[in-house]
Amino acid sequence: AQSVTQLDSHVSVSEGTPVLLRCNYSSSYSPSLFWYVQHPNKGLQLLLKYTSAATLVKGINGFEAEFKKSETSFHLTKPSAHMSDAAEYFCVVSLNNNAGNMLTFGGGTRLMVKP
Amino acid sequence: KAGVTQTPRYLIKTRGQQVTLSCSPISGHRSVSWYQQTPGQGLQFLFEYFSETQRNKGNFPGRFSGRQFSNSRSEMNVSTLELGDSALYLCASSSPGGSSYNEQFFGPGTRLTVL
Repeated sequence: AQSVTQLDSHVSVSEGTPVLLRCNYSSSYSPSLFWYVQHPNKGLQLLLKYTSAATLVKGINGFEAEFKKSETSFHLTKPSAHMSDAAEYFCVVSLNNNAGNMLTFGGGTRLMVKP
Repeated sequence: KAGVTQTPRYLIKTRGQQVTLSCSPISGHRSVSWYQQTPGQGLQFLFEYFSETQRNKGNFPGRFSGRQFSNSRSEMNVSTLELGDSALYLCASSSPGGSSYNEQFFGPGTRLTVL
């Protein structure tokens, strides 16, 4: 079984300050981990993915995440928030066994960026 | 390359009716997955189709069904609609191998409202 817990349902930052969105996962197997973003009335867009290569993963729009197996965490960070980053973010885990696609989503974190 | 398309974008039905939603994957993608998004339950996996066969299934009642055609287009059907079926239904496709390593590309979704 696999599960994902996003530790904060809402995060509010000021423009230009760092962003930290926290995610813990549970998986019986070596997981693939993803962060997706969903802007209002739009579909989900992949920010970055971890598939057992480098533990520090760089994504689009300046986001990055670090896979820490000992802490079962995959936190998303960005050095400086931009107004356009305001959206809902989902941490996602997938079984890493080539048996197909079955994503398990965290509950989401709504990021608000204040001017 | 065109993205994942879903039709219709919005749908209003009444309790007891049935509904069919359609998804056209990115050209060349053979894996199509369906997800339900609600404010209360978040994003939940419904099922995945690969080469016209259901490969994975989530924990939903039998009223939810799907199929995939030889051109990889997929449909999902919900029979005997209930108020709780009101949700955003998202379709995702992934590239040819269809393994969990691959990114899933999401469509804009179909917003179903059950009255």
